[in-house]
Order: sequence, then C-alpha cells, then structure tokens
Amino acid sequence: EDQVTQSPEALRLQEGESSSLNCSYTVSGLRGLFWYRQDPGKGPEFLFTLYSAGEEKEKERLKATLTKKESFLHITAPKPEDSATYLCAVAGQGAQKLVFGQGTRLTINP
Amino acid sequence: GAGVSQSPRYKVAKRGQDVALRCDPISGHVSLFWYQQALGQGPEFLTYFQNEAQLDKSGLPSDRFFAERPEGSVSTLKIQRTQQEDSAVYLCASRRTGGALEQYFGPGTRLTVT
Repeated sequence: EDQVTQSPEALRLQEGESSSLNCSYTVSGLRGLFWYRQDPGKGPEFLFTLYSAGEEKEKERLKATLTKKESFLHITAPKPEDSATYLCAVAGQGAQKLVFGQGTRLTINP
Repeated sequence: GAGVSQSPRYKVAKRGQDVALRCDPISGHVSLFWYQQALGQGPEFLTYFQNEAQLDKSGLPSDRFFAERPEGSVSTLKIQRTQQEDSAVYLCASRRTGGALEQYFGPGTRLTVT
C-alpha cells in the first residue's frame, strides 16, 4: 500500500528564515510525486511534479527535490504570504489516484 | 482560463438526509476524481472517472456513496442517508490527457451533518 508521511506537522518561521519540509514515501513504482499548496477554505493548488530521483524544480522562493525515499520542499527567505498548508502526494504504478500525506502547516511571521 | 468549480460551497444536512454535490471540471479534461478531506488531514481518494466510465470506486466508504458522470463532463457525488461521520470537505479534481499526471482541484464543498 502506498504511503506518504510529512514532517513536521507544523512549522513557524520568521520572515526571511529559510527551512525545508520533508515528505517520506513508500510506493510500488513511482510515477510521480506532487507538491500542492492549500490555503484555508480553498482547494489544493498545484505546485510541482517530480518524476525521478535527482530531479529538482523551482518556483519563486520554493524548490522541490526528490530522492528514492523522500522529497524536500525548500523555502528560501519566506514571506508571510507563503503561509499555507503544503501537501505532498504520490501516484504509484498502475494507479490513477493520488495518495496524500497529512500536510505541513507553515506559518511565516512578519 | 476557468478552473474546476464545485457547488454548493457549503451544505448543512440533517442526519438521514440525502445530498448531491456537483463538480464542473476544466473544459476538455478527460479524467475526474473525487476526494474527501477531514479537518487537518490530507485528501483521501474516493472515486475516478475517465470520460463517463467510473474506473475506480475503491475509496467510496460505503454503499451510501454514489458518483456519476453521465455525459463525461459534469459529475455528481451523492450521499444517501447522511451520517455525522460524513462531515468533511469533498474535493473534485480533473486532469488532462497526454501523459500529464497532475490533478487540478476545485474549491471543495464543506458538508456538515447535524
């Protein structure tokens, strides 16, 4: 059974304080690993897809990386508007559905 | 362009009532998914359509849950005889064809069963 575990559950940072969020996964044949951002009362917003170990993708202050066991979402010099819950999900071989972790709730204080 | 839309955004039902939740996917997206999200948790898969065919309903928690997509576009998730444990946010997502795997989500319907 495919599983995703995210850590930490919650993270508070000061504006400008860089950090990383972790996503550990077990999956039978990874087709893709996904990062989403979710604001309160809204649906998840797609950020990145990573397909294979060693791949990296960047968008503004965010950079996602992937190994064979985990993915990191690095946030550089965050701003208060980066506050949100960040969700990690995987799609396994032969499966169409996404399996999500429980999310990391990120708060950036000004 | 227009994203995935869902209606209603909020629904309060008394225990035992039937509810119907609607999803309008992104135009041209062949695949459609329903997920259930409990408070403080990640979304959990319910069911998947490719065009009008329901290809996976393994996540539906009971036979009180029923989904359809009769013309391969709009989808409806129906919950019969609602129970308190059905209270959650129901998310719809769509995905285009051509090998892309990412799914695009709507805003969700928050269902509260009293």
